Formats: sequence, structure tokens, C-alpha cells
Amino acid sequence: DQQVKQNSPSLSVQEGRISILNCDYTNSMFDYFLWYKKYPAEGPTFLISISSIKDKNEDGRFTVFLNKSAKHLSLHIVPSQPGDSAVYFCAASAGGGSNYKLTFGKGTLLTVNP
Amino acid sequence: ETGVTQTPRHLVMGMTNKKSLKCEQHLGHNAMYWYKQSAKKPLELMFVYNFKEQTENNSVPSRFSPECPNSSHLFLHLHTLQPEDSALYLCASSQDLAGPTEAFFGQGTRLTVV
Repeated sequence: DQQVKQNSPSLSVQEGRISILNCDYTNSMFDYFLWYKKYPAEGPTFLISISSIKDKNEDGRFTVFLNKSAKHLSLHIVPSQPGDSAVYFCAASAGGGSNYKLTFGKGTLLTVNP
Repeated sequence: ETGVTQTPRHLVMGMTNKKSLKCEQHLGHNAMYWYKQSAKKPLELMFVYNFKEQTENNSVPSRFSPECPNSSHLFLHLHTLQPEDSALYLCASSQDLAGPTEAFFGQGTRLTVV
């Protein structure tokens, strides 16, 4: 029973265009959401996060949008660059003393073509 | 250079072997974690240590035995594993367990049980 779902295993975009990675969750207790990026043979690296009190967080080329009513978040990368090619994991945690427990999705492989 | 270092990077072991995975973090964090990533599955939290004390055991079989001698080091002792235990084992750390937190991951140990 997956609480965090990334329904697209892969996504391919052209360099310079926008990449949109999607994530859905089922646990209404989740109140903090994170995106991680993973290159082959490396561990995941933290990219950007958003608290449930916000609906948007922006950091350079990366923006995360949160739609609480739909239990949906998305990561926008614009413009996309070939170096962005990696697996992107969505993760979520709940408050109430369990903030450290990250529940991950299966990941989406993003390929940015030159 | 990552702040979280795992050794070895790759490990092949027989089902009757005993081996240990090592993790070291240079970030001054107080919480450390073991995660498991099996093929086509999300990252799964295995164990959590906070200030050297185990605070979470996510129903992990006893053939996996963690050890945390200090806040900077974390081990995972392996004994009589099964082929289905083959996976990527990731160590992570975070400042502590309080509040929304980003975990910083090591590069992982790719374990193959034969």
C-alpha cells in the first residue's frame, strides 16, 4: 500500500523545455514534502522541499507546487538541462514526532535530451 | 565530497557469510538511518538512531543487526542473508529528529547475496 506514488516511471524532455514531475500521496497526515535527485552510483541528494502551509516553493530553476486538496505535488524544472537527467524521488513526512520518517515514491527517471 | 561516506560500495556475500556495512558522517548530525532500496521499490526505512540510541526498527529481520557506537558512525551487521536481501543499502543522517528534516544520504552499498 504505497502512500507516496510517482506514477510515471520515466519522462523525456528536450533541453531548454520545462520538465514536470508529479507525485501523489494518500496519507492526509503528511505535512512536509521533499524532492530528491539521484544519479547512478550515487546516493539521493536533497533538492527542494515544501511545507503544507505553503503551495509553492521556488529555488532557482526548481519549483515545487503543492495541492493539498488533491494530495498532489509537482516539481517543475525550467529550463531543463542535460545535467538534470537523473532519477527524482518524491518523499513525505508527517508531524507529531514522526517528522524524520520519510516515505518515498518509486522515483521517476528524467532524461533531458540535448 | 559527500558528508556521508559508506563502505564498501559493492559487496557480494554468500548466505552463510557474516559481513558489515559501515557508514560515517562528517556533518555533525545526531540522527543516522539505514534505508534499503530493492529493485522497482521505494526506499524503505530500516533503522533510526538518535544520539546513538535506536529509536526505530521498522520490522527488520534479525539477520540485520545495526550498531551505532557514536553519533558519527553507524554499522549494519549482516548474517545468514537471503538472496532477496540483495539491494542497495543507503545510510543517511540528519541534524536530529525534531522538526521537518532533510536527510543527507551516502552513496550506498550495492549488496548481492549469492
